[in-house]
Amino acid sequence: KAGVTQTPRYLIKTRGQQVTLSCSPISGHRSVSWYQQTPGQGLQFLFEYFSETQRNKGNFPGRFSGRQFSNSRSEMNVSTLELGDSALYLCASSPGLADEQFFGPGTRLTVL
Amino acid sequence: GEDVEQSLFLSVREGDSSVINCTYTDSSSTYLYWYKQEPGAGLQLLTYIFSNMDMKQDQRLTVLLNKKDKHLSLRIADTQTGDSAIYFCAESAKAAGNKLTFGGGTRVLVKP
Repeated sequence: KAGVTQTPRYLIKTRGQQVTLSCSPISGHRSVSWYQQTPGQGLQFLFEYFSETQRNKGNFPGRFSGRQFSNSRSEMNVSTLELGDSALYLCASSPGLADEQFFGPGTRLTVL
Repeated sequence: GEDVEQSLFLSVREGDSSVINCTYTDSSSTYLYWYKQEPGAGLQLLTYIFSNMDMKQDQRLTVLLNKKDKHLSLRIADTQTGDSAIYFCAESAKAAGNKLTFGGGTRVLVKP
């Protein structure tokens, strides 16, 4: 079974731009969660989607948004990029709710 | 709120056992996880334990949970150089769905 895939793997943007990251979960998994990893703040939860509905949201500004499609694929969007948004963005999928989660390799975003 | 703490660094000789410790504050934690992250990679799920268990063994890995003290440990037997990585402890509560709260990570260095 293929693992969680994330595209693109690397991204360079400038301040003020917007970016969309994509995550394809493991086949049959219906839940997708997103995390931001930075050296200063560590791993922080962004949001969780299950069956196209956002079930939980972390403490991030409204510039961070996401969605999930009927095939369980998910995208997250960051608008008006700031230097502090530079991070590794990790996506995790799980079969359902309160199940073990499997992470993708991440998208490394650099904001200049 | 939830908080998960880990020591920053552990150095161990190849062939010895490693013990990585973690403390958490959320008494409603349902699942506790250990993830491994190698340089430039995502998170690899190593093992997890339900909060109603005291111990779980999986090949070279042993997880011990002291629910009264909210203390979790991961023991790696016969540590190999390939075990050098950052190890993250994480907890989730059933009410929070798949939201994981992570510790800051313990960097394990295995010396030959």
